[in-house]
Amino acid sequence: AQSVTQLDSHVSVSEGTPVLLRCNYSSSYSPSLFWYVQHPNKGLQLLLKYTSAATLVKGINGFEAEFKKSETSFHLTKPSAHMSDAAEYFCVVSDLGNFNKFYFGSGTKLNVKP
Amino acid sequence: DGGITQSPKYLFRKEGQNVTLSCEQNLNHDAMYWYRQDPGQGLRLIYYSQIVNDFQKGDIAEGYSVSREKKESFPLTVTSAQKNPTAFYLCASSPTGPREKLFFGSGTQLSVL
Repeated sequence: AQSVTQLDSHVSVSEGTPVLLRCNYSSSYSPSLFWYVQHPNKGLQLLLKYTSAATLVKGINGFEAEFKKSETSFHLTKPSAHMSDAAEYFCVVSDLGNFNKFYFGSGTKLNVKP
Repeated sequence: DGGITQSPKYLFRKEGQNVTLSCEQNLNHDAMYWYRQDPGQGLRLIYYSQIVNDFQKGDIAEGYSVSREKKESFPLTVTSAQKNPTAFYLCASSPTGPREKLFFGSGTQLSVL
């Protein structure tokens, strides 16, 4: 069965410092992995996705994530946080066995301090 | 511009009342989804549809109903049987096929009067 665990419900960083949002997944088949961002009272916007090509995936706004099969992880990183990065982030998995089902993590709220 | 339109942005429901949330997409996607979002719980799937005139229950379908009479439209009705309807509702769509992503609308906040 597929599932996603976001290891931190809240992360707080200072502006200009690195961001690390952690995600572990379980999947029966070859997974597709996504990170979405949600600003308050808005829909979700795709940051990046992994679909079995390069394991280091670059996304929008300077974010990137690395797929590590041995660790079943897909952590999201950014070298330098900006105030506008403050939002909630969701890790999502689907797999080839049932590609129209998406499984969401419970979300990580990122706070960026000036 | 292509996208997903949800309306209304805010909706209030009285006791015993059914309300319908609208979701329209012009992306020509076959699959459409309804999610419920509660604080700290992520997104939970209510219903999804992979093709016109067909839909399946998700994880929390009780108290909700949907229809898919047109490819571009997937309205959600919150019935009086749903005892705790206050939540943020998100509609999404995707092309059918592996490795595809979800596209989201901007959401509807439903509150009980």
